Amino acid sequence: TQLLEQSPQFLSIQEGENLTVYCNSSSVFSSLQWYRQEPGEGPVLLVTVVTGGEVKKLKRLTFQFGDARKDSSLHITAAQPGDTGLYLCAGPRGRVSGGGADGLTFGKGTHLIIQP
Amino acid sequence: DSGVTQTPKHLITATGQRVTLRCSPRSGDLSVYWYQQSLDQGLQFLIQYYNGEERAKGNILERFSAQQFPDLHSELNLSSLELGDSALYFCASSALTGPYGYTFGSGTRLTVV
Repeated sequence: TQLLEQSPQFLSIQEGENLTVYCNSSSVFSSLQWYRQEPGEGPVLLVTVVTGGEVKKLKRLTFQFGDARKDSSLHITAAQPGDTGLYLCAGPRGRVSGGGADGLTFGKGTHLIIQP
Repeated sequence: DSGVTQTPKHLITATGQRVTLRCSPRSGDLSVYWYQQSLDQGLQFLIQYYNGEERAKGNILERFSAQQFPDLHSELNLSSLELGDSALYFCASSALTGPYGYTFGSGTRLTVV
């Protein structure tokens, strides 16, 4: 099983600040996904990145997939209280090719709190 | 509402007991995945079914089993429950097989006392 390490584990910042959270692995992934989870709810998919070096933007959120496809980052600009939640990265279990249907491996997440 | 329905939302039971968690996937989705989320282990993949057949197994204990029925709903059976089985259990569904984005349900919080 390929492991995903997320950092920081906890982050508390003021509204309006910028932040970056990281997802790293020693293994190559064919794709990585980012989810956000709020208390009492299931994770919600934010984005999937599939190409090394790819950058995707979702409003104030910018996602980047590392050139070697071993890492990814999530940057939030001008954070708002509504961004509070657990941010999880996930990648396909096992095969680098990404083929097959064997579920996802998740990092343990970054708990983000944006204080008004 | 994500379209994936899980019942019950909360479940409290005693050690040694057996429980069944139910999941109805999003309309049209053929794949159902079960995950366990605990504070120390994070989200762990348990098992996947695709159109009624078991497709992949993860860190699922022998005391746990699952099935997917012809109407595509799925059940996760947990038996001989231990205190350590207390966790959030999530079901997710997708239209395709493969590592694509899933739609998760709201989960079942299981507490074993």
